[in-house]
Amino acid sequence: AQSVTQPDIHITVSEGASLELRCNYSYGATPYLFWYVQSPGQGLQLLLKYFSGDTLVQGIKGFEAEFKRSQSSFNLRKPSVHWSDAAEYFCAVGAKAAGNKLTFGGGTRVLVKP
Amino acid sequence: DGGITQSPKYLFRKEGQNVTLSCEQNLNHDAMYWYRQDPGQGLRLIYYSQIVNDFQKGDIAEGYSVSREKKESFPLTVTSAQKNPTAFYLCASSSTGLAGPFQETQYFGPGTRLLVL
Repeated sequence: AQSVTQPDIHITVSEGASLELRCNYSYGATPYLFWYVQSPGQGLQLLLKYFSGDTLVQGIKGFEAEFKRSQSSFNLRKPSVHWSDAAEYFCAVGAKAAGNKLTFGGGTRVLVKP
Repeated sequence: DGGITQSPKYLFRKEGQNVTLSCEQNLNHDAMYWYRQDPGQGLRLIYYSQIVNDFQKGDIAEGYSVSREKKESFPLTVTSAQKNPTAFYLCASSSTGLAGPFQETQYFGPGTRLLVL
């Protein structure tokens, strides 16, 4: 069965500083990987996704993520954080062999200091 | 505007009562999903449907039921058998179909918060 781990429950970062959110997955074949962002009381918005090809993926709002097969990781990065980036971030893995279902990590809540 | 709507935004359930959460999409997506979100636990899959008149249990289906009579609608009923229903419920859809190519980008509705009185 596939699984996703987001080791950091909370991260606090100063506005203008860089941000990196960690995501590790477990799956026997090549996974399909996603990052979503959730503002309080809202649904999830897709930031970016990796299906195949270039392992460095660009997303919306200035985010990028890098797929590293050897480390089973798909970490999310942003060079300079804005106050509006304060939210909860979820990593997810999908697999066709698993009935096209997504498995989500527990989420990382990001707080941005002025 | 294409998208997914969920209603109501807040729902209160009394002891022993069944309640139904609505999810409608006008994206012409084949597949629809229901997730439950609890603090610190991410999202857990309750039920999903890849085509009209067909659905499968997810990881935590006990105490829930669904129907998929129309492509655009996937209502979730929280039955009295669900002893801890307080949570945030999210509906999603994707263009995945049984015969189609893999397309796992799921798009989410705004959610319904269910509270027990």
